[in-house]
Amino acid sequence: VQLVESGGGLVQPGGSLRLSCAASGFTFSNYWMSWVRQAPGKGLEWVANIKQDGSAKYYVDSVKGRFTISKDNAKNSLYLQMNSLRGEDTAVYYCARGPDSSWSPFEYWGQGTLVTVSS
Amino acid sequence: QSVLTQPPSVSGAPGQRVTISCTGSSSNIGAGYDVHWYQQVPGTAPKLFIYGNNNRPLGVPDRFSGSKSGTSASLAITGLQAEDEADYYCQSYDSGLSGFYVFGTGTKVTVL
Repeated sequence: VQLVESGGGLVQPGGSLRLSCAASGFTFSNYWMSWVRQAPGKGLEWVANIKQDGSAKYYVDSVKGRFTISKDNAKNSLYLQMNSLRGEDTAVYYCARGPDSSWSPFEYWGQGTLVTVSS
Repeated sequence: QSVLTQPPSVSGAPGQRVTISCTGSSSNIGAGYDVHWYQQVPGTAPKLFIYGNNNRPLGVPDRFSGSKSGTSASLAITGLQAEDEADYYCQSYDSGLSGFYVFGTGTKVTVL
């Protein structure tokens, strides 16, 4: 299993950024996928997840209406469109496989991509 | 804001046993949802270390064990080794207002 994130960088407050996660080593279309972030020096925070076929999506309250998670099973790719970015969105963003249920873990993680929101 | 509380740090000499607590509530651990633990070496991505309260993925040493009781869970490391020095996070599901998947505050394990 390999998950490789890209798309991070420096963006001004109010700006937008699109993160990508390329998946390999498993049947991507069979799994829920998630984004988890970690602010500098802080703990982990689940951001969003998406069902296998993309028909269900869930978000943490702090990003609802600003972030959109999506997946392209034909390209084995997961995305996170981030709009109206704020300073508190500054973090390393990890792509993770799962959880597949309320009782399941985040099984595999990518190496992360850093998003910095600053003027 | 984390809804699962962990001690900021624990430490022990090589060979000793240390435990990390993870305290939740009736809407997460106490509601019966499983607890999972992740190890994060500084500068690297988290790695699943314990799943389903007390199960180890392939490759995780058997000196790591998990348990759960009531609204809390624990991770124990017996025979502490230098390579165990890292941050550890518990994680569960929350059916309350905080919504969905929640992590602990994290614990830094230091090998003296």
